[in-house]
Amino acid sequence: DVVMTQSPLSLPVTLGQPASISCRSSQSLVYSDGNTYLSWFQQRPGQSPRRLIYKVSTWDSGVPDRFSGSGSGTDFTLKISRVEAEDVGVYYCMQGTHWPFTFGQGTKLEIK
Amino acid sequence: EVQLVDSGGGLVQPGGSLRLSCAASGFTFSNYWMSWVRQAPGKGLEWVADINQDGSDQYYVDSVKGRFTISRDNAKNSVYLQMNRLRAEDTAVYYCARDPGWGASDIWGQGTMVTVSS
Repeated sequence: DVVMTQSPLSLPVTLGQPASISCRSSQSLVYSDGNTYLSWFQQRPGQSPRRLIYKVSTWDSGVPDRFSGSGSGTDFTLKISRVEAEDVGVYYCMQGTHWPFTFGQGTKLEIK
Repeated sequence: EVQLVDSGGGLVQPGGSLRLSCAASGFTFSNYWMSWVRQAPGKGLEWVADINQDGSDQYYVDSVKGRFTISRDNAKNSVYLQMNRLRAEDTAVYYCARDPGWGASDIWGQGTMVTVSS
């Protein structure tokens, strides 16, 4: 199975400051069709997960443009340009290139 | 409104069975893969199973293969998870999710809690 490793696991951030989460996969996530099926999800306290980004860098509608995704192959990053209070929660990367699909351990973002 | 409503969770003894249901509305259900994802108390997300649009293809995480079965009824806009031979480690909130492709689930249910305990 593909192992997804996130860092850091805990991320205290000052309001208005940037934040960055790394996600590394144990195998390349490039599929035979040339696409890379890496998604990012946000889970606010007490809520269901919400997709933020798919195929590495494509935003979901309604997701603020302060969120961005980048990366290739086995190395991916989620960036928040200016953290707001509503961004508190746990962030997960997930690969959908190889069965079984696998999630990272999660990164807990909190306000300092 | 696009919506998924999970149901069927509860308390069950080890070795027992439970069937989860997920009712979809607001979109053309038969056009989408569907997923089940679980979250043990205080833990991260774990993908459990996926089923394709007509139900002819299913995929599972190794830990549930042979015990869980995902199925769907497109006439009822519903997806199911039949869970047999349940273990304590299956205790989790189970979410159904709409999968537009390659696990990038864009719509999630509210989750249903399954507790396996004697």
